[in-house]
This record gives sequence, structure tokens and C-alpha cells, in this order.
Amino acid sequence: EDKVVQSPLSLVVHEGDTVTLNCSYEVTNFRSLLWYKQEKKAPTFLFMLTSSGIEKKSGRLSSILDKKELFSILNITATQTGDSAIYLCAVPQGGSEKLVFGKGTKLTVNP
Amino acid sequence: NAGVTQTPKFQVLKTGQSMTLQCAQDMNHEYMSWYRQDPGMGLRLIHYSVGAGITDQGEVPNGYNVSRSTTEDFPLRLLSAAPSQTSVYFCASSPGHEAFFGQGTRLTVV
Repeated sequence: EDKVVQSPLSLVVHEGDTVTLNCSYEVTNFRSLLWYKQEKKAPTFLFMLTSSGIEKKSGRLSSILDKKELFSILNITATQTGDSAIYLCAVPQGGSEKLVFGKGTKLTVNP
Repeated sequence: NAGVTQTPKFQVLKTGQSMTLQCAQDMNHEYMSWYRQDPGMGLRLIHYSVGAGITDQGEVPNGYNVSRSTTEDFPLRLLSAAPSQTSVYFCASSPGHEAFFGQGTRLTVV
């Protein structure tokens, strides 16, 4: 059965801290891994990773994929209160477009 | 820039009532899906469609029906609402792996 496991499930930090969110996966016919940010409403797309070892960056956020060890990390440097959200990791199931989501990491950034 | 539009945003139902959650997208995506999100459970797939006239079950399909008569619309029907269906429902459409989500419907069944 395909599955995605995220850790930690919740995290509380102070502004300016750097955080690392983890996502491990087991899926047949792996093609990609996606990260989403969910604030109050709909998840919004952050990154899609398909190749191992290549870092995707967007401002203070970056992500890397390790296809050999079957995990990805999402780093956020110099955190701000606006980074407070649930971060979701997902992989397409069995080569289809069906996404299997992890339970998410709830990040709280305190001023 | 409509993207994926869900209606209603909020709904309260009594146990046993039926209703339809509406979802429409204007991006001409073939793939559409419905998820429910419960605290601590992440997003779980209810039903999905790979194109007009084609639907299939996801991880938690019981108590829900879908149909896809056009590319744009993918309604989700609750046949006989139960308190266990209290949740936030998201519709999504996708051109490939990246999914675009609607703003969600918060449903409470009392």
C-alpha cells in the first residue's frame, strides 16, 4: 500500500529560526513528490521534485529529494509568522494522478 | 482567474439529509478529484475522474457519489448524511501531478 509519512506532526519555533520538515514515502512506480502549504483554506503548491539530489528553491524555502532513501525535506530559513501553516507532502499513487498525502506538519512561528 | 470554484463554502445538514457539493474548473483539466480533510488525518481521496464520463473510487468512497458529465464540473453527492461525514471537503483539478484546489466546503452534520 502506498503511503507518505511526515514528521514532525507539529512544530513551534520563534521568528528567525530555521526549520526542517521531513517526508518519507513508499510508492510503486515513483514519478514525483509534491509539497503544499495550507494556511486557512486551500493547499497551495510549493514544489514538485522528480530527480534525486536536485534542490528546488523559492526565496527562504528549499526542498531536496533523495530517491535512494525515499525521503524529501523542506527547509525554511529565517522563519516569519507568515510561515505558520500546515505543510503537506504528497506523491502520485502507482503512476497515476491520484495523490497520496501525508498527515501534514503544523508549523507555528511565534514572534 | 477563477481556477477551481466550490460551492457552498459552509453547510449544516441534519442526519439523513442529502445534498450536492458543487465543483467547477475553468482550466480544461481532465483530472479532477474530491478530498476530505479531518484533523490529524491529512487529505484523503474520496472519488476522482480522469475525464468526462469516467469516475472511480478513492480511499474513502462510502456514502458519496460522483458523476462527470462535462470537463468543467465534478459534483459530489452525499446520499444520506451522517455525523461521520462532518469534515472539510476540497475539490481539485490537475493537468498532471500538480493539483489546484478549491477553497473548500466546511460541512457539519448534526
